[in-house]
This record gives sequence, structure tokens and C-alpha cells, in this order.
Amino acid sequence: QSALTQPASVSGSPGQSITISCTGTSSDVGSYNLVSWYQQHPGKAPKLMIYEVSKRPSGVSNRFSGSKSGNTASLTISGLQAEDEADYYCCSYAGSSTEVFGGGTKLTVL
Amino acid sequence: QLQLQESGPGLVKPSETLSLTCTVSGGSISSSSYYWGWIRQPPGKGLEWIGSIYYSGSTYYNPSLKSRVTISVDTSKNQFSLKLSSVTAADTAVYYCARHIKALPFGYYPDYWGQGTLVTVSS
Repeated sequence: QSALTQPASVSGSPGQSITISCTGTSSDVGSYNLVSWYQQHPGKAPKLMIYEVSKRPSGVSNRFSGSKSGNTASLTISGLQAEDEADYYCCSYAGSSTEVFGGGTKLTVL
Repeated sequence: QLQLQESGPGLVKPSETLSLTCTVSGGSISSSSYYWGWIRQPPGKGLEWIGSIYYSGSTYYNPSLKSRVTISVDTSKNQFSLKLSSVTAADTAVYYCARHIKALPFGYYPDYWGQGTLVTVSS
């Protein structure tokens, strides 16, 4: 069970859109529509932003969207705001009641 | 409102056993709609799933930690617990407990997280 692969960092200016990728294998991301994304500000617990690939929990801005193609899932944030600066983690169900996380991506809003 | 609160020693000596408890309030740990799990984060690093438990007592562990991990549930106290044996400095991390929503037809994902507790392994 290897960690999912995410870029270490991404950046964008306010108002722009950015996309964070999350690459797994045919045993996790590729096999299940159970990819979720989490936002983590320094010293805080992760917050669920996207679940089941593309669904948004109540209260999460519609500027956040998710998608998946093959073994790679993606999180897109449109209309970047300063408050979006945080670490982002993907997570995938990996079968047999196990799960695996990505290494995390640091988003910098320039 | 659902709340999860981790508790336990913040300092553990090498080779000893790390023990943490997660107390759930604002919801029942016996609900068939959820699993309950432990996730950790070493300082400055990413998240690692440790394991999960269902209210019935069925457990599921990260293969890389399986030989050292035990997760248990106490439905009467609405708590679940983590024990990690033979700890080393590499086990120093913030430990989170999290509710996992059961998906259909199978699988789950974490939604609500506790605030986390830092456990340092040092003599």
C-alpha cells in the first residue's frame, strides 16, 4: 500500500484557478469512486472538501470541485482566495476496508 | 454537533506502548453508518492511515503497522482506542481520530476529525 502521489506544491494568484493531481493505481484510485480531498491549515485538523470524487459537503464553497480519470484524481479550486492557502491531501479507498493518503500539496496564493 | 476528542499521554518512551482514546460526543459510535479510525501525521509530513474499527469490533489495519497496532471499541462509553507497541522516534506524530462514513455498496472515507494530539517518543 503506497502513498498516492501529489505535487509537493502549487501556486496561483487571487482569482485564478489551480488544479492539484493525485495519482494512485488500479488498486485504489482506479478501482473505486471513493476519492476524498482535505484542506489543512497550520496547526489544524484536516477538513473534508470533496468526497466520492466530486461531491461537496454542505458548507464547502462551490469554487472547489473534483474529478477523476483512470488512476488520477484532481482537485480544482477556482477564483483563488487568500484563505485557500493551505495544505491539501487526497485520500482513496483501497479495498478490504483500507485507505491510503497522498503525500500532500502546499498551495500558495501569491 | 459531533465532536471527537483524543486523549492520552503526550510522551512515551522508546520500546513502550502508545495508548490513546477517542471519545465521541454528539453521536453514537454504535451507528451502522460509520466506521471509526486513527490517522497520524509526523511533524512537517503527510497523513498516514493507521487503522479503522466498526462498532461490532471488526478491525482493519495498515499493513505496514499491523504487527504493532490494536484498535478496540467500547460502545458503553462511546469510545474507541489505539494501542501501538514497540514505539520508536519514527512514531512521533500528531494522532487524529476520525469518523468514517460508510459508502455504498462498500468502502468508506473520513469526514469528521478530532483536533489531534501530539505524541512524542523520547526517553
